[in-house]
This record gives sequence, structure tokens and C-alpha cells, in this order.
Amino acid sequence: AQKITQTQPGMFVQEKEAVTLDCTYDTSDPSYGLFWYKQPSSGEMIFLIYQGSYDQQNATEGRYSLNFQKARKSANLVISASQLGDSAMYFCAMREGRGKNAGGTSYGKLTFGQGTILTVHP
Amino acid sequence: DSGVTQTPKHLITATGQRVTLRCSPRSGDLSVYWYQQSLDQGLQFLIQYYNGEERAKGNILERFSAQQFPDLHSELNLSSLELGDSALYFCASSVHYRGTYEQYFGPGTRLTVT
Repeated sequence: AQKITQTQPGMFVQEKEAVTLDCTYDTSDPSYGLFWYKQPSSGEMIFLIYQGSYDQQNATEGRYSLNFQKARKSANLVISASQLGDSAMYFCAMREGRGKNAGGTSYGKLTFGQGTILTVHP
Repeated sequence: DSGVTQTPKHLITATGQRVTLRCSPRSGDLSVYWYQQSLDQGLQFLIQYYNGEERAKGNILERFSAQQFPDLHSELNLSSLELGDSALYFCASSVHYRGTYEQYFGPGTRLTVT
């Protein structure tokens, strides 16, 4: 079963408008983290935003916000005031577990969805 | 700039050959993760090292191996290359962010097997 599902292969938005990219996840671990990354055509992976499963408030980072609905297991990315430079592939990812063990070391692979290509029109 | 460096940026080689991809994590980061991005499989976790020791293994083929050196740089070795190994290979290192350890990605190495 897919752990991360992004149902929108492609999305289009007009410049300056808001857009929502969907992400649903599946885990039985009570402790997890959800991430969004942006991959422009140049190929690099750019970290955008993070939401922890115990966070009470939705995460926000500038024009990015994460609409976290725990009961529905969804973590949608909202981009406000879209810009031409927002055109890219967007990936939702999940890390299960707390991200570090009692020894203080770091673990926690990321599981990615298939991505959504966002195109911003002028 | 994430602070994670990867070399080379591009690599073209023939089937059956062996290549080594190199990654230097951000200063102070002890963990290195390797991911493969291909059209068929999407983005997949391969392997993680922490301070020189293997921590977690994902969908890494037996033809692939990795190691992390005392200076914390890591190498991913791919041998007996097949056409299907053509992909973008990312290295990521962990940084502390809001109470957890998050991953910042390097620019990737694009491998083309002909």
C-alpha cells in the first residue's frame, strides 16, 4: 500500500492566485513528520515546510502553509500568491518515528509521493 | 544552497561498468542519506549512514554499496551497471529543525548508463 499519495499529477494556477496540492498518508506510527519539497527543472530538492504529528497548529513558512488534517491523514500544501518561479514538481514525504533515538542519533528515511507538477501561468 | 555537495554532477558510462558517487554533508551533520530518483520508481531511499556506521537500508540493490568515511563524506558505489540504473542520485544530510532532524538535499548526480 502507498504510504504517501499525491493524486494530482499536474496542477495549473494563475499567477498571484493560491493553489492547494493534495497529499494523503498512511501510517500506524503515532509519531511522524510530514514534509514538502520543491524540485525545479534544474533538479535540486528544496525543503519547503515541515509538520510534526504532535504539532497543534498548522505549519507556515512564508507563502507556504500546510493544511494538516490528522483524522483524515492529509497534509495539503497551500501556496499563496503564486509566482512564476513556483512552477516545479512538488513532493510530499513522510518520516515515521521521532527522527532520533534515545542515544541522540538521527534516523528516519523519507518516503516520498509521486509528486505533482505545478505550472503557474502569467 | 543546502550546504550538501555532490560530485560529479553528471556521469555517463556504459553497461557493466562501475562508478563512485561522492557526497559531503553539511558541516557538523553526522548523518548521510542516499536516494535514487528514477522515472519508474520515483524517489526511493537507498541507505543511511551515521558517523561512519550503516543505520538503515532501503531498496538498495546488492550491486550497490556505500560507506561513510571518518571525515564524514560518503561514497555510493554502483557496479555492474544496467540501463535501469540511470537515475538522479541524491545525498541528504540531517539538520536539527523544530525538535527533529530534517534532511537537506545535495544537488544530485545524474547518472546515465548507455
